[in-house]
Amino acid sequence: GAVVSQHPSRVICKSGTSVKIECRSLDFQATTMFWYRQFPKQSLMLMATSNEGSKATYEQGVEKDKFLINHASLTLSTLTVTSAHPEDSSFYICSAPLGGVPGGRIGEQFFGPGTRLTVL
Amino acid sequence: QKEVEQDPGPLSVPEGAIVSLNCTYSNSAFQYFMWYRQYSRKGPELLMYTYSSGNKEDGRFTAQVDKSSKYISLFIRDSQPSDSATYLCAMSRNSGNTPLVFGKGTRLSVIA
Repeated sequence: GAVVSQHPSRVICKSGTSVKIECRSLDFQATTMFWYRQFPKQSLMLMATSNEGSKATYEQGVEKDKFLINHASLTLSTLTVTSAHPEDSSFYICSAPLGGVPGGRIGEQFFGPGTRLTVL
Repeated sequence: QKEVEQDPGPLSVPEGAIVSLNCTYSNSAFQYFMWYRQYSRKGPELLMYTYSSGNKEDGRFTAQVDKSSKYISLFIRDSQPSDSATYLCAMSRNSGNTPLVFGKGTRLSVIA
């Protein structure tokens, strides 16, 4: 099946630093990827839609200057948390839809394993 | 009213029990319905995928969609301790690469 990887799986950083999280589709091309944030015991909250070759689309309330998204290629999207603060500590998960992939089902998405960010 | 409602639980059942998990939704435009399982500190993994109304069975898991009632269910038969996880329902409106709308997730514990 389709595989989506994320790196790093866990990161601890000091307040004020920037952190980059990578999301890769390993065996298929993804023109679109989604970035979610999940707080403890909460559901996934969509942050933004990453589009290859164009600007990301951010959900209401998500600061685009703080959460920089770059979809550099058909297999890689990056999320950079700039000037991180303790309230940014969360579990960040990316996903890639398979709707445009041969054999992929409309609406189906594969998720990465997530990145746990802790800002001290 | 939220687009997708799901009781967060927690739900605790003995091993071997039949588990019933449910979601309701308000947007009749949803066409594709999924159930994801998420273990602690892991990414969600797709469990069941259903298009429109009907039932789908896969091993011990059965997914039901009733679009007339805007209600979807996931049944787990002969539940096992390894089924202990959070189960999230998810829905998609149409074709193309649109984001999923998730329920809050139900935390399930199967006690041996």
